[in-house]
Amino acid sequence: DTGVSQDPRHKITKRGQNVTFRCDPISEHNRLYWYRQTLGQGPEFLTYFQNEAQLEKSRLLSDRFSAERPKGSFSTLEIQRTEQGDSAMYLCASSLAGLTTDTQYFGPGTRLTVL
Amino acid sequence: QKEVEQNSGPLSVPEGAIASLNCTYSDRVSQSFFWYRQYSGKSPELIMSIYSNGDKEDGRFTAQLNKASQYVSLLIRDSQPSDSATYLCAAGRWVGGFKTIFGAGTRLFVKA
Repeated sequence: DTGVSQDPRHKITKRGQNVTFRCDPISEHNRLYWYRQTLGQGPEFLTYFQNEAQLEKSRLLSDRFSAERPKGSFSTLEIQRTEQGDSAMYLCASSLAGLTTDTQYFGPGTRLTVL
Repeated sequence: QKEVEQNSGPLSVPEGAIASLNCTYSDRVSQSFFWYRQYSGKSPELIMSIYSNGDKEDGRFTAQLNKASQYVSLLIRDSQPSDSATYLCAAGRWVGGFKTIFGAGTRLFVKA
């Protein structure tokens, strides 16, 4: 392997439904990020984990969004009561964090469409 | 003002030419800078990282950083049609945790 993997690659759901995405980082990478990207924009930071600890959450992350990384390995991102505005590509990235650097490698993304 | 700004393009260059992509950032405490390539419908792929003022070369790619001017650039020599993509500039900084801010990207077309 071994790159970052994400599942599912595509998800179509109806407004109001809950969805959950999974990310498996590169082995031994201690940091894991979630981003959201819409057409014509760069990735927008949502949240990140250092091992199992969630260290920062963006103000973009409303209370309908929750992320976990229970054992410091894979992570899940759940969106409750989806809205059409949640339609986007959800990207996961991982890194082996240094003191002042943090080179992130992205997974293939999960494209969410909310009808 | 966006934290990381890029010209959205599109930038069109003929095959074999040098493509020059530019980026400015607003936060002077930014320490690390990255260029990612993103093909349509795909995720970003890291091309280069740069941390110190000056030039860094890797194959056909050269990244340039000028912290005094808060300016980062990417030169692509001998451009190929396969280089046609969106190029994302990102700036990273340590603020109680490492945070990376991405620009919106510049679309590059290399004409055969």
